[in-house]
Amino acid sequence: DSGVTQTPKHLITATGQRVTLRCSPRSGDLSVYWYQQSLDQGLQFLIQYYNGEERAKGNILERFSAQQFPDLHSELNLSSLELGDSALYFCASRPGTAYNSPLHFGNGTRLTVT
Amino acid sequence: TQLLEQSPQFLSIQEGENLTVYCNSSSVFSSLQWYRQEPGEGPVLLVTVVTGGEVKKLKRLTFQFGDARKDSSLHITAAQPGDTGLYLCAGEHDTGNQFYFGTGTSLTVIP
Repeated sequence: DSGVTQTPKHLITATGQRVTLRCSPRSGDLSVYWYQQSLDQGLQFLIQYYNGEERAKGNILERFSAQQFPDLHSELNLSSLELGDSALYFCASRPGTAYNSPLHFGNGTRLTVT
Repeated sequence: TQLLEQSPQFLSIQEGENLTVYCNSSSVFSSLQWYRQEPGEGPVLLVTVVTGGEVKKLKRLTFQFGDARKDSSLHITAAQPGDTGLYLCAGEHDTGNQFYFGTGTSLTVIP
């Protein structure tokens, strides 16, 4: 058990809809990362937060947004969903931003857009 | 475009065989990590290498960081069915922010 909790585990929704994915990091971890994993593209970095502030942005679409709350949990909001948004979405946390410390991943949310 | 390219993408071998997975980039990294991911789960850290030329061993797994800190390899000796999974390398610059993952190598070890 990594200590990172993601909910829901599975999500099925229709095109055009909006969903919210939730992540609770390991106790004490200040940094939260979001990744998208699809069959043909591996793990794509979306966005990173540190102690409530956005630190880095990757290949995140304008239809997607995220935030980290004062209690350090994070939410990823996906809107105007398209079929191509179907993927596994992972959240990972680490204590701070010091490089070479490991990322601890949750078990992901599997999003299916129909 | 992936910053880190892994090869091979897929590998299917018999139990007891040896194998090497490569992780290459044109970018220099301050640290490089290897993760293993099993179906339905998130990636789990195997090792972190930070010094050019560094070699680390984890039982039957040997990890090496290239001298120029642009590439890495993972060698598995006498593979076992329990080694089956998706192996991912991940590189980080010293800004401590973005973590770039490789394209992944899916390994299947046949009993």
